Amino acid sequence: ILNVEQSPQSLHVQEGDSTNFTCSFPSSNFYALHWYRWETAKSPEALFVMTLNGDEKKKGRISATLNTKEGYSYLYIKGSQPEDSATYLCAFDYGGSQGNLIFGKGTKLSVKP
Amino acid sequence: GAVVSQHPSRVICKSGTSVKIECRSLDFQATTMFWYRQFPKQSLMLMATSNEGSKATYEQGVEKDKFLINHASLTLSTLTVTSAHPEDSSFYICSADSGSSTYEQYFGPGTRLTVT
Repeated sequence: ILNVEQSPQSLHVQEGDSTNFTCSFPSSNFYALHWYRWETAKSPEALFVMTLNGDEKKKGRISATLNTKEGYSYLYIKGSQPEDSATYLCAFDYGGSQGNLIFGKGTKLSVKP
Repeated sequence: GAVVSQHPSRVICKSGTSVKIECRSLDFQATTMFWYRQFPKQSLMLMATSNEGSKATYEQGVEKDKFLINHASLTLSTLTVTSAHPEDSSFYICSADSGSSTYEQYFGPGTRLTVT
């Protein structure tokens, strides 16, 4: 059974704090790792698709790293803002059936002004 | 670009009735669409993969006669929950394949189904 774990489950930070959270996934049969941001009542928004060990991607204040050998990815948010409040999902793609993503339960981030 | 809509956003129905949920790709053509379900405090779980013009592929444990999927065009897939029971109450969300080599998926906003 393929399992994807995200930690922490939830996180409360003050505006301006930097934060990071973890996605752990199987280290075998890796094809891609997806990060999504999901705000309440909206569609999950694709942040990053990461495919290579050692990948590091950045979008504004958000960045992500990937270690496929040990099976983890970190998502970093620098200088958190209230609008960063959302649930951050990671999904493991093992390249099986097209589009078969295994999701973690997400990390819910709340940023207080 | 890459917007996916879903309708309705929320529905309450009586036990034994059927409910149809629509998923549309608004600005791109999606040969493949996916239907997920999320129970409280759980992760998104893939129910089925829907390819335009062919039968859907269901994940293990998902009853194909209960969850009818139709993908008649490149921009529309529908999920019909037949003879709904309270245990079918859940959050249903669709996504569409962008067609990129990394199978990036674009999601709709989801449908909250409550069966009374």
